[in-house]
Amino acid sequence: QSALTQPASVSGSPGQSITISCTGTSSDIGGFDFVSWYQQHPGKAPKLIIHNVNSRPSGVSNRFSGSKSGNTASLTISGLQAEDEAVYHCSSYTNTNTHGIFGGGTRLTVL
Amino acid sequence: QVQLQESGPRQVGPSQTLFLTCTVSGASIGRADYYWSWIRQSPEKGLEWIGYIFFNGNTYYDPSLKSRVTISIDTAKNQFSLSLSSVTAADTAVYYCARNYGDSPNFDYWGQGILVTVSS
Repeated sequence: QSALTQPASVSGSPGQSITISCTGTSSDIGGFDFVSWYQQHPGKAPKLIIHNVNSRPSGVSNRFSGSKSGNTASLTISGLQAEDEAVYHCSSYTNTNTHGIFGGGTRLTVL
Repeated sequence: QVQLQESGPRQVGPSQTLFLTCTVSGASIGRADYYWSWIRQSPEKGLEWIGYIFFNGNTYYDPSLKSRVTISIDTAKNQFSLSLSSVTAADTAVYYCARNYGDSPNFDYWGQGILVTVSS
């Protein structure tokens, strides 16, 4: 199954808000509320920042929020900070022969 | 504090078997609370969910890897392991172990990752 589709890169200035999209199909994002988002800094493991579309794990800043419409999920980061510069990955449960798939990752640059 | 740590050879020869172990602390893998997964990441393919194991030994493997993968569990040592046979250069990647709740890709704790290179 093909990976979820994310833009290769996005950018924003400190204090601004940005949104990263993640597009799938009715077999994954559109059919289930099991979308997660991960933040990955260079040389580090991914860190879970959103699960079940819009829930934040304990300790994750409320500047991170998630949503879903149809087959597309979105991650919004408000009040951009330099430390937010990282690669962001989405994932979703799928009812195909794989249990879950990832997006290709989006590199966020804070200008 | 839940921690996971991968260990194993960092270089494997072509056609050989890659074997990695994940040691878990701060949580018992013998409880029916979570699933325990292996994920790999390469520049070419990004993140790939290799599969998971549950406390009772139930497993899931990605269909594209299923013929070559075995994930096993040792509850006495609080460890789980990955075996990937007949490796090629395409299996060169950073391999992570992780914990997920439910059999969906919600990975809340990750190991630091181990780069495994397939090369003679």
